[in-house]
Amino acid sequence: GQQVMQIPQYQHVQEGEDFTTYCNSSTTLSNIQWYKQRPGGHPVFLIQLVKSGEVKKQKRLTFQFGEAKKNSSLHITATQTTDVGTYFCAGCVVNSNSGYALNFGKGTSLLVTP
Amino acid sequence: DAGITQSPRYKITETGRQVTLMCHQTWSHSYMFWYRQDLGHGLRLIYYSAAADITDKGEVPDGYVVSRSKTENFPLTLESATRSQTSVYFCASSLGAKNIQYFGAGTRLSVL
Repeated sequence: GQQVMQIPQYQHVQEGEDFTTYCNSSTTLSNIQWYKQRPGGHPVFLIQLVKSGEVKKQKRLTFQFGEAKKNSSLHITATQTTDVGTYFCAGCVVNSNSGYALNFGKGTSLLVTP
Repeated sequence: DAGITQSPRYKITETGRQVTLMCHQTWSHSYMFWYRQDLGHGLRLIYYSAAADITDKGEVPDGYVVSRSKTENFPLTLESATRSQTSVYFCASSLGAKNIQYFGAGTRLSVL
């Protein structure tokens, strides 16, 4: 089936270092969404990218959508301990059954050491 | 996200027993989803529903049953629980198939 691959699976950084997670799809995406799940919590929506080449920023977080709309990245500048958690991308693809389907990547778990 | 609630939050059961996990949303969202989350597997879709009385299988539907008689409720039933169904289960809802999904707090299920 249509899958969204996300790398790395785990990342351990020192506080203040940068962090990037990448998401790749074999098919063109209608949009891509990013979610964050804190330890013991539930996934929470962060942002949605729709346009080819789109870049959005939220404070220290920068989200990019590739020109071909098949890949995306989340970059965190100068990580803080509050950034700890698992970051999921979710790619929206055309689905023959219901029109669209949102396929989640397996997530990147970020650990930040003070 | 008080608009979507799951119950119970924690459940311990025995192999072979029937278990029902409840999900209720107050937003009148058309779509509802059930995921299971296991270490190393991320979020795997079990079943989803596009509207009341419309349900469809996801990636890992075996051993699970769903129903959606009302828009706001989407219960998930394990008809005969197995140890491999020990997991954290998340319910989510959205306006449409391509829209933002709002997740419940999750149910942690242990099958002994």
